[in-house]
Amino acid sequence: QQQVRQSPQSLTVWEGETAILNCSYEDSTFDYFPWYWQFPRESPALLIAIRPVSNKKEDGRFTIFFNKREKKLSLHITDSQPGDSATYFCAAYRRNYKPTFGKGTSLVVHP
Amino acid sequence: GPKVLQIPSHQIIDMGQMVTLNCDPVSNHLYFYWYKQILGQQMEFLVNFYNGKVMEKSKLFKDQFSVERPDGSYFTLKIQPTALEDSAVYFCASSSTRYEQYFGPGTRLTVL
Repeated sequence: QQQVRQSPQSLTVWEGETAILNCSYEDSTFDYFPWYWQFPRESPALLIAIRPVSNKKEDGRFTIFFNKREKKLSLHITDSQPGDSATYFCAAYRRNYKPTFGKGTSLVVHP
Repeated sequence: GPKVLQIPSHQIIDMGQMVTLNCDPVSNHLYFYWYKQILGQQMEFLVNFYNGKVMEKSKLFKDQFSVERPDGSYFTLKIQPTALEDSAVYFCASSSTRYEQYFGPGTRLTVL
């Protein structure tokens, strides 16, 4: 049972466009949603995170939009750059310490 | 930023042997995690460890797996005996709270 789902599996945009990565979850007890990015042959790194008390979190060109009622969130990357090309993982945490990761979205930004 | 170190970076062993993966977490962090990632796939949570105890483990954390952090040194993942399906990259992570985790560079384990 996949508790955290991501779409699309892969996404290609041109430099300067906005990339939109989607994530949905099933369990309403999740209380923390980080996005990690991972470059090839590197470890994941925390990019941005949100808690259900907020419906938006912004950090520079990266914005999370959160819809608690629909159990959906999305990561918007404005003015995409080739250096943003990576795999993006949406994750969800519960109070019992057990993080669940989605399968990831592979983003390619063409110059 | 804070660095998590993992030793070794690569390990090749024969099926049935024991392997120990070592993690040097960020010095003031209290929560420790192991994840498994097969090439090109998602991160799979294995186990987390706090205050000397396993707090939560997934169904991937088989009986052949064990973790410990003796005397505040390395946080280790031991697999005994190893199986072919254990081949993957194993990431260690640590955090000061239960949330923001810092990941190590991973250990690529190949079981022949």
